[in-house]
Amino acid sequence: DAKTTQPNSMESNEEEPVHLPCNHSTISGTDYIHWYRQLPSQGPEYVIHGLTSNVNNRMASLAIAEDRKSSTLILHRATLRDAAVYYCILRDFRGSTLGRLYFGRGTQLTVWP
Amino acid sequence: SAVISQKPSRDICQRGTSLTIQCQVDSQVTMMFWYRQQPGQSLTLIATANQGSEATYESGFVIDKFPISRPNLTFSTLTVSNMSPEDSSIYLCSGGQGGGYTFGSGTRLTVV
Repeated sequence: DAKTTQPNSMESNEEEPVHLPCNHSTISGTDYIHWYRQLPSQGPEYVIHGLTSNVNNRMASLAIAEDRKSSTLILHRATLRDAAVYYCILRDFRGSTLGRLYFGRGTQLTVWP
Repeated sequence: SAVISQKPSRDICQRGTSLTIQCQVDSQVTMMFWYRQQPGQSLTLIATANQGSEATYESGFVIDKFPISRPNLTFSTLTVSNMSPEDSSIYLCSGGQGGGYTFGSGTRLTVV
């Protein structure tokens, strides 16, 4: 039931910014945009989320398009530890799927030293 | 954010037996979920663990195979029943209030 589209893989060099895109053209007004990442052999880790406005936290920034049909996760300076699978997920607060997260395939980010 | 302790971290089980996985959260959380992750694949939602009532299962998952308990707002169990080699996978629990969810470190199950 994943409703987002992400590139399968991306690469970056260490200490360079990384922009991870996500398309969600069928997003509804109540859907929050969530990003998680999963390092090898670990459970997913929450990164950031937003509804309409751009968001910043200590891990990353989230830029949300004005029409909300796409978003971009920005890692300002990639480190080797940022190599992971990044998942863009719409969190639905309506009805029977209240608050559930449905994971798509995500983007495998490779960071080169 | 909440911290989730999940156990066991791994187990090897005989086919036909059952395994119960436990998740303990260090604070009360409204929502708890159980996922399955095949090697190299994404996470598949199994069910929502509802406190004080029956779990809500996703399509393709049934209570007889994956009974779930949630006796309070900090604890949940998932049982994998009558196991077959096809049940070999990583099982993860997740929980949270608003904002982001926290995940357990997973249980790597091998059925032989």
